[in-house]
Amino acid sequence: DTEVTQTPKHLVMGMTNKKSLKCEQHMGHRAMYWYKQKAKKPPELMFVYSYEKLSINESVPSRFSPECPNSSLLNLHLHALQPEDSALYLCASSHRPRDRDYEQYFGPGTRLTVT
Amino acid sequence: AQSVTQLDSHVSVSEGTPVLLRCNYSSSYSPSLFWYVQHPNKGLQLLLKYTSAATLVKGINGFEAEFKKSETSFHLTKPSAHMSDAAEYFCVVSGRTGGFKTIFGAGTRLFVKA
Repeated sequence: DTEVTQTPKHLVMGMTNKKSLKCEQHMGHRAMYWYKQKAKKPPELMFVYSYEKLSINESVPSRFSPECPNSSLLNLHLHALQPEDSALYLCASSHRPRDRDYEQYFGPGTRLTVT
Repeated sequence: AQSVTQLDSHVSVSEGTPVLLRCNYSSSYSPSLFWYVQHPNKGLQLLLKYTSAATLVKGINGFEAEFKKSETSFHLTKPSAHMSDAAEYFCVVSGRTGGFKTIFGAGTRLFVKA
């Protein structure tokens, strides 16, 4: 199984809502990532988890809260978002943290719209 | 510090003609380099990677890339474009600096004309 799955595929939420994005992989990867991608732009790194511990937070606003309950699962909790947070949110995983030779496997993304 | 520059924001080719997508990189250490493809509203898929083994790297769907250290380049090529190749392509560098983060190029949109 070389697949990263993400749910939901689409999400529309109001600025006062609380919602969560979910990402799952069963490849035994020990590094997991959240990216934000705006239209016609490359993905921007948000968070990196290494062996289930948060190792990189790219100065992301606190209205985004990541969680890694176990080595296969990664969540992104959303609260009080702004319309400019509307984007495609991509999850990725790689075999070993801090190893430049391993490629990242990407999920299909969650298309988030904040109204 | 590391950086990656994709020299063309858009490339347009006719079906059956060669494809060349250009990428230059900068890295203080010997880098790993990757090309990913993204079709509309999809995630990214790895095309190929260079990790200090053979300098000519073959990937999926007939794509290949050559690592040229003297030119700090890692250009992506394909002998004959197919309509299904129309997509966004990202060149990515990964190395020791920045906590092993991957650095994405700005992307090149490939258009394929019938």
